[in-house]
Amino acid sequence: QSALTQPASVSGSPGQSITISCTGTSSDVGGYNYVSWYQQHPGKAPKLMIYEVSNRPSGVPDRFSGSKSGNTASLTISGLQAEDEADYYCSSYTSSSTVVFGGGTKLTVL
Amino acid sequence: EVQLVESGGGLVQPGRSLRLSCAASGFTFDDYAMHWVRQAPGKGLEWVSGISWNSGSIGYADSVKGRFTISRDNAKNSLYLQMNSLRAEDTALYYCAKDSGTAMVTGFAFDIWGQGTMVTVSS
Repeated sequence: QSALTQPASVSGSPGQSITISCTGTSSDVGGYNYVSWYQQHPGKAPKLMIYEVSNRPSGVPDRFSGSKSGNTASLTISGLQAEDEADYYCSSYTSSSTVVFGGGTKLTVL
Repeated sequence: EVQLVESGGGLVQPGRSLRLSCAASGFTFDDYAMHWVRQAPGKGLEWVSGISWNSGSIGYADSVKGRFTISRDNAKNSLYLQMNSLRAEDTALYYCAKDSGTAMVTGFAFDIWGQGTMVTVSS
């Protein structure tokens, strides 16, 4: 159950777009459409932003979008805002009937 | 209001046991799978265990398999995590999380989270 691979940090200026990648294997990201993304502000519980690769829960702005190609999933945030600064985690269902998270990406809004 | 409230955390010596509880309200608890996710201080998220709506399907991370047991009581709208043979590396904030799937179908995403209960394993 190796963690999914995410960049440690990304940054962007307000109004810009950024993309966070999440790389796994054919036994997790590439094999199932159960990829999710979470936003976590310091001291707070995580918040679900994307589920099943590209679906947004009610209340999540459409600036957030998800996609997948092969063994890599991506979260794109367009029209970056100051409040988007947070840690982001991806997760995936695995062939072992477990769930694995990525190591997390710190997003800095410049 | 949909809410999850964890309890049972604390300071425990290595090798000892602890039982966490999660009280659910505001949704039909017995329709959904539930999970435990933990976060060590300053570290990332780690899925610990999940249980289907009827307890018919249960899974564990390799790091806790054989030591932790997840269970639920649908009559009490409660989720539990029995943690035995605790180790220093089990020190973390433990979150209870509701599965995002539709009723009785596990979605393997977590749409409602509690605020967590801290477990510290130290002598």
